Amino acid sequence: DAKTTQPNSMESNEEEPVHLPCNHSTISGTDYIHWYRQLPSQGPEYVIHGLTSNVNNRMASLAIAEDRKSSTLILHRATLRDAAVYYCILREGIQGAQKLVFGQGTRLTINP
Amino acid sequence: EPEVTQTPSHQVTQMGQEVILRCVPISNHLYFYWYRQILGQKVEFLVSFYNNEISEKSEIFDDQFSVERPDGSNFTLKIRSTKLEDSAMYFCASSELQLGEKLFFGSGTQLSVL
Repeated sequence: DAKTTQPNSMESNEEEPVHLPCNHSTISGTDYIHWYRQLPSQGPEYVIHGLTSNVNNRMASLAIAEDRKSSTLILHRATLRDAAVYYCILREGIQGAQKLVFGQGTRLTINP
Repeated sequence: EPEVTQTPSHQVTQMGQEVILRCVPISNHLYFYWYRQILGQKVEFLVSFYNNEISEKSEIFDDQFSVERPDGSNFTLKIRSTKLEDSAMYFCASSELQLGEKLFFGSGTQLSVL
């Protein structure tokens, strides 16, 4: 499985934007970039995913570098509820039961 | 939004006993997974399941583990003879039959082996 690199922790203030970086220099052409988060005492929760183009949904935006070797998850206006561990995961884009391989992720702290 | 449900939320068992963890995946999903997370550690893949057979399993998923889809709705993980080190949060997940599609996770079963 291709690997990703994320900072261990980040801190931000409530109602400010948060940019969570991820490096994936060994990404292959068929790998999708997935972001999940895990709130305290809960299961992982899907946030967003993309292949080449930037993506937006109601939770976040995903900015993908042109060479696809890095990406940034953007929370436009952080709330206390966004405090969680955020995982950047590459998922092979072939048909089948492609597992997610979780790393340590980035622990995001939101200050009131 | 549809969700994956897991029962029980907590399970306490004695070492050497068999446990069955139950999951009801989202109804139109075709791929099913079990993951576990030991306290303070990362989420680890155990097994994936499709078309009534195991697609892939990790080194953790040894002969003590088995999975089954006994009917059209449930997906179970059985641990035949539990060990202390099996104590963890176990998550079930499911996904649709689509390329690169997202996984939906349940809220987990906390297994404590005494």
